[in-house]
Amino acid sequence: AQSVTQPDIHITVSEGASLELRCNYSYGATPYLFWYVQSPGQGLQLLLKYFSGDTLVQGIKGFEAEFKRSQSSFNLRKPSVHWSDAAEYFCAVSPRDTGRRALTFGSGTRLQVQP
Amino acid sequence: DAGVTQSPTHLIKTRGQQVTLRCSPKSGHDTVSWYQQALGQGPQFIFQYYEEEERQRGNFPDRFSGHQFPNYSSELNVNALLLGDSALYLCASSSDRYSNQPQHFGDGTRLSIL
Repeated sequence: AQSVTQPDIHITVSEGASLELRCNYSYGATPYLFWYVQSPGQGLQLLLKYFSGDTLVQGIKGFEAEFKRSQSSFNLRKPSVHWSDAAEYFCAVSPRDTGRRALTFGSGTRLQVQP
Repeated sequence: DAGVTQSPTHLIKTRGQQVTLRCSPKSGHDTVSWYQQALGQGPQFIFQYYEEEERQRGNFPDRFSGHQFPNYSSELNVNALLLGDSALYLCASSSDRYSNQPQHFGDGTRLSIL
C-alpha cells in the first residue's frame, strides 16, 4: 500500500530564513505528487503539483519542490519565509490510474514562524 | 466562480445519532471525494463519487455512506455515530475529463460527537 512520510512534525524558522519541508513516499510506481497548505479552521489549498517533466516545480506563494525519483522524495522549499506562511503543510500522492485518484496524505508538518 | 462549498460549517451530535453533510463541487467539476481529518492528522480518504456511483472507497466501515446527485453535488452520511467520528470532514472536487488537474477542497465541516 502507498504511504507518505513527513518526518518533521513541527518546524520553527525565523522570518526571512529559508525553509525545507521533507516528504518521502512509498509507492509501486511514480505517483502524482502534491503539496497542500492548511491554515487553522480552513480547508486545503494546493501549493504545487508534479505530474511529469521538469523535476523542479514552482508553485504559488514563492514555494517550489523537487522530485527525486532515486530518493522517493518530494521536498518543499522556500528561500525566504514570511510570517503569513505559518500553517500546516501536507504532502500527498495519488496514483496515475484514471478514475482512481484518491489522495494519500502524510501526517503534516506544522510551521511556526518567529519574528 | 464559486469554489467547493460545504454545509454546515459546524455540527454537534451525540453518540448513536446519524448525520448528513453536504458538498457542492466547483463549477465544471463532476467528481466528488470525501476525506476525514482527525485532530492533528492528515486527511484520510473515505470515498469518491462519479456519475452518481461510488467509484472508489477507502478503509471506512459501512456506517459511512454517500450519494451524488445529477447536479454533481454530494452528501456524506454517517450512521451510529461514535466518539471517534469527531473530525473535520473535507469535500474535494475534480474533473474526470481533465484527469491531470488536482482536486480542489472546501473548508470542511467540523463534526463533534458528545
